[in-house]
Amino acid sequence: EVQVVETGGGLVQIGGSLRLSCGTSGFTFSRFSFMWVRQAPGKGLESVSYISGSGVTTNYADSVKGRFTISRDNAKNSLYLQMNSLRVEDTAVYFCAREGNGLASAIDYWGQGALVIVSS
Amino acid sequence: DIQMTQSPSSLSASIGDGVTITCRARQNINDFLNWYQQKPGKAPTLLIYAASSLQSGVPSRFSGSSSATEYTLTITGLQPEDFATYYCQQSFSAPYTFGQGTKLEIK
Repeated sequence: EVQVVETGGGLVQIGGSLRLSCGTSGFTFSRFSFMWVRQAPGKGLESVSYISGSGVTTNYADSVKGRFTISRDNAKNSLYLQMNSLRVEDTAVYFCAREGNGLASAIDYWGQGALVIVSS
Repeated sequence: DIQMTQSPSSLSASIGDGVTITCRARQNINDFLNWYQQKPGKAPTLLIYAASSLQSGVPSRFSGSSSATEYTLTITGLQPEDFATYYCQQSFSAPYTFGQGTKLEIK
């Protein structure tokens, strides 16, 4: 059974840092690309960052470029999102999401989400 | 980033009705268009990928179609469990941007 579980959310001050982790099981982690998708309270979905299976290719939304870093450890079947210089507008539920193979890059599995609150 | 424009933002319908949601891409995305359903407090789930392919386990009352850069999600014979928010997403070019969402409510 495929499992995707985010950890590391919480309350942080403006300008602070936080690292989200995403642990996975039930499939060969290195064969899949992943992304982080966030959802601010009462708002829609926003793709934040993307990383290929090898980790060589990464991509960021303009809203987080230069502040967030996506990475992965294929030996630990884990994905990470390092978030620095956090702003109030980064407050959201952050989902770890797997890009399916053979599904035109659609997301086939999502975690339950980790809530990040940025406050003064 | 590729902009996706989804309409309507909200929709009211009755059990048994059919509804249509539209998504327009600002540029050609070669049918790399996906549809998701999200219920309150839950992660989204994939309904349709590559514009018209039904994800495994999704009821056949959901269907997708395309015409140039316009994409459509159609739900026929609405069931109580279908009242939720729907999002389109382009997966042609990262970051894979989403439409603004359509909230489907019971009339």
